[in-house]
Amino acid sequence: GAGVSQSPSNKVTEKGKDVELRCDPISGHTALYWYRQSLGQGLEFLIYFQGNSAPDKSGLPSDRFSAERTGGSVSTLTIQRTQQEDSAVYLCASSSGTSGSYNEQFFGPGTRLTVL
Amino acid sequence: AQSVTQLDSQVPVFEEAPVELRCNYSSSVSVYLFWYVQYPNQGLQLLLKYLSGSTLVKGINGFEAEFNKSQTSFHLRKPSVHISDTAEYFCAVSRPGFKTIFGAGTRLFVKA
Repeated sequence: GAGVSQSPSNKVTEKGKDVELRCDPISGHTALYWYRQSLGQGLEFLIYFQGNSAPDKSGLPSDRFSAERTGGSVSTLTIQRTQQEDSAVYLCASSSGTSGSYNEQFFGPGTRLTVL
Repeated sequence: AQSVTQLDSQVPVFEEAPVELRCNYSSSVSVYLFWYVQYPNQGLQLLLKYLSGSTLVKGINGFEAEFNKSQTSFHLRKPSVHISDTAEYFCAVSRPGFKTIFGAGTRLFVKA
């Protein structure tokens, strides 16, 4: 596609359930990022992929959060045993990320997660 | 390690007044600098970027920013704001092969 897409756009779940959020980056982009944006807050970095590997997972809030990327393309962010504090907009971004590039990030529209 | 500081969390301004949103960064090597804008209920989009060359960078919607290496700053300016400029603005820094670091954001309120 022409841009970064994310699904679902909205997700309402009950506390304790697991959720999976999906990100389709721009074709050919090697770098992929996940961020969390809580109401009135800035961008909280979660994890960064370069290809299929994640050199930086430092932002994942707890071991309930995990992410994977397959084929250097689609990524899924999984939150297990969701808690109310997980409610936020989860943003995905991709960039060309090649050496010498300027790493402009292109953002998806986000997934709004509400944990009841 | 790189870091970005946006000095103002909120900036209220009247319509048609000038505005400056401040951003300072720290890095021991050359970096690329960006401003992103997030309009209410929308995703982030690139406003402008500095890669190299001229230190004055012009972006969309009449915004510009000036790279000041000695002061390690990349402040965003607009000479006359509109109600439609109300949004959150994020400064960011990156270099090839490394993740982009975002500032905490500055919420610009334009009042009539």
